[in-house]
Amino acid sequence: DAKTTQPNSMESNEEEPVHLPCNHSTISGTDYIHWYRQLPSQGPEYVIHGLTSNVNNRMASLAIAEDRKSSTLILHRATLRDAAVYYCILRAYSGGGADGLTFGKGTHLIIQP
Amino acid sequence: NAGVTQTPKFQVLKTGQSMTLQCAQDMNHEYMSWYRQDPGMGLRLIHYSVGAGITDQGEVPNGYNVSRSTTEDFPLRLLSAAPSQTSVYFCASSYTRWGPDGYTFGSGTRLTVV
Repeated sequence: DAKTTQPNSMESNEEEPVHLPCNHSTISGTDYIHWYRQLPSQGPEYVIHGLTSNVNNRMASLAIAEDRKSSTLILHRATLRDAAVYYCILRAYSGGGADGLTFGKGTHLIIQP
Repeated sequence: NAGVTQTPKFQVLKTGQSMTLQCAQDMNHEYMSWYRQDPGMGLRLIHYSVGAGITDQGEVPNGYNVSRSTTEDFPLRLLSAAPSQTSVYFCASSYTRWGPDGYTFGSGTRLTVV
């Protein structure tokens, strides 16, 4: 299964943009790029997903490299409530890979007031 | 509120006891799954179900049983609890087994086996 690589931790200041990188050099053509986050003592929360084009929603933006080997989750204006572990996960569009979501260790995002 | 509901939130068991972790969703999702999360680690898939009456094993199924008699409910049973099963358990659901839709997770059950 395709794997993702993320920095262990990142730090940012409140009200500033945050760019969380993810490398997935072995991504297949049928893999969607998903991002989840997990706040302290809570279950993971879906943030955004994309296939080839950049995506925006109310929580964040997802920028996908043209070759799809990397992506960046963008939080436009971080707040203290965005402090969480962020997971970049590949999810197959159709069968053939492992079931479920394969979680790595993610990026621990620290927001300074 | 629509979502995934897990009960109980906390549980302490003695080694050898059995218990059932409950999971219910009201979004008419076909796909449901159970994960465990150990300290400092990502979530690992225990069992999953693609619809009522159909279940299968995930990455770490040993010591756990599941059943899916309705679309809404997907309980996880620990047959004989062991200290190695001390963990936080999350139930998740989605519309489909494959495809782009995201998963909805419950808030978790924190289990301690002594």
